[in-house]
Amino acid sequence: GAGVSQSPSNKVTEKGKDVELRCDPISGHTALYWYRQSLGQGLEFLIYFQGNSAPDKSGLPSDRFSAERTGGSVSTLTIQRTQQEDSAVYLCASSIGTAPNYGYTFGSGTRLTVV
Amino acid sequence: QKEVEQNSGPLSVPEGAIASLNCTYSDRGSQSFFWYRQYSGKSPELIMSIYSNGDKEDGRFTAQLNKASQYVSLLIRDSQPSDSATYLCAVRAFSGGYNKLIFGAGTRLAVHP
Repeated sequence: GAGVSQSPSNKVTEKGKDVELRCDPISGHTALYWYRQSLGQGLEFLIYFQGNSAPDKSGLPSDRFSAERTGGSVSTLTIQRTQQEDSAVYLCASSIGTAPNYGYTFGSGTRLTVV
Repeated sequence: QKEVEQNSGPLSVPEGAIASLNCTYSDRGSQSFFWYRQYSGKSPELIMSIYSNGDKEDGRFTAQLNKASQYVSLLIRDSQPSDSATYLCAVRAFSGGYNKLIFGAGTRLAVHP
């Protein structure tokens, strides 16, 4: 696609429910990243996929968080048993590669509210 | 110590002035640096990248890098109200065979007419 597409744009869920967030990167971009941004805060790295390599999961805050990337394209971030502190904007980004001079293109984000 | 540090601001400048945004980073091995602009309620957009010591100019924007001091800055000349946004500094970090951008918390810039 022309840009990074994320869905849903907004999600309100009850505490304890599971949620799935979807990211469709730019066609041909091999690297895909998930970040989250709490209100007034910077971007917190969550997980990163590069081609067929094992993902870098070092930023996932707990085992309630998981992500997969099927076929090297679309990625799904799953949060199980959501807590109020999970409320944030979840941003997906993609990059054509991981060479030092490649920046990211971000999607418009999913605003998650846990009530 | 945070890996990428920025003054949260707000930095308030009058229209037409030069806005100077600063960022320091802790990983001396970092090689590439990026500035993103984020309008309220929107996602970040890349505005500048820099890899070599010195200055890099693009229109009204100039990025400056000093690796010895672990310091990167962004100058915005002839600031306009439309430049009012949060500016995020990002540093590409390598760890455990992976590399990714580490972001600062951002500096909020307010340009007043």
